[in-house]
Amino acid sequence: AQTVTQSQPEMSVQEAETVTLSCTYDTSESDYYLFWYKQPPSRQMILVIRQEAYKQQNATENRFSVNFQKAAKSFSLKISDSQLGDAAMYFCAYRSPTHTGTASKLTFGTGTRLQVTL
Amino acid sequence: EPEVTQTPSHQVTQMGQEVILRCVPISNHLYFYWYRQILGQKVEFLVSFYNNEISEKSEIFDDQFSVERPDGSNFTLKIRSTKLEDSAMYFCASSAGLGTEAFFGQGTRLTVV
Repeated sequence: AQTVTQSQPEMSVQEAETVTLSCTYDTSESDYYLFWYKQPPSRQMILVIRQEAYKQQNATENRFSVNFQKAAKSFSLKISDSQLGDAAMYFCAYRSPTHTGTASKLTFGTGTRLQVTL
Repeated sequence: EPEVTQTPSHQVTQMGQEVILRCVPISNHLYFYWYRQILGQKVEFLVSFYNNEISEKSEIFDDQFSVERPDGSNFTLKIRSTKLEDSAMYFCASSAGLGTEAFFGQGTRLTVV
């Protein structure tokens, strides 16, 4: 079974600074998908960024980028120019490769609570 | 922008009662999911649903749980006889295709008293 580990329960960053959230995962599969979700106090789950394992290029979405190290099974999230609105719980998630005719679940890590200070 | 909608946002029920949590997935999506998050814990997969049948379910999803897509737009989660430990946030999600990202609803907070 796949597992996702987020070893930083809490992180803090100053506004306008850069922060990196860590995620490692364990899998025997070679093709899969990785995601970062943000959960603000409203508790809705919002997709931040996704990465396909077959792509060597790291995904980027505006101020959010990932450092995907497939061999090390590491998938960290970098937030640049941090804003107060970035304060939230961040979850790393893994999805297995798809199989014809079936849906595949997300396996989540335990989350990292990010505080943004002035 | 299309979104997944869940109702109600908060439900309080007595232990032993049946509850139905409702979700309207994004209209052209084909894959549907329920997850739950006990307060302060991680999000856990319950069940996935495709082509009008369950694709996969976790060990949490026992005989007390069932899902249904009764009318082609709604996707429901029924808990037959609620227990105190069923108190959690329940998230519905949908995705358009295999491997595409899942979009989550805003969640239903279920409190069992």
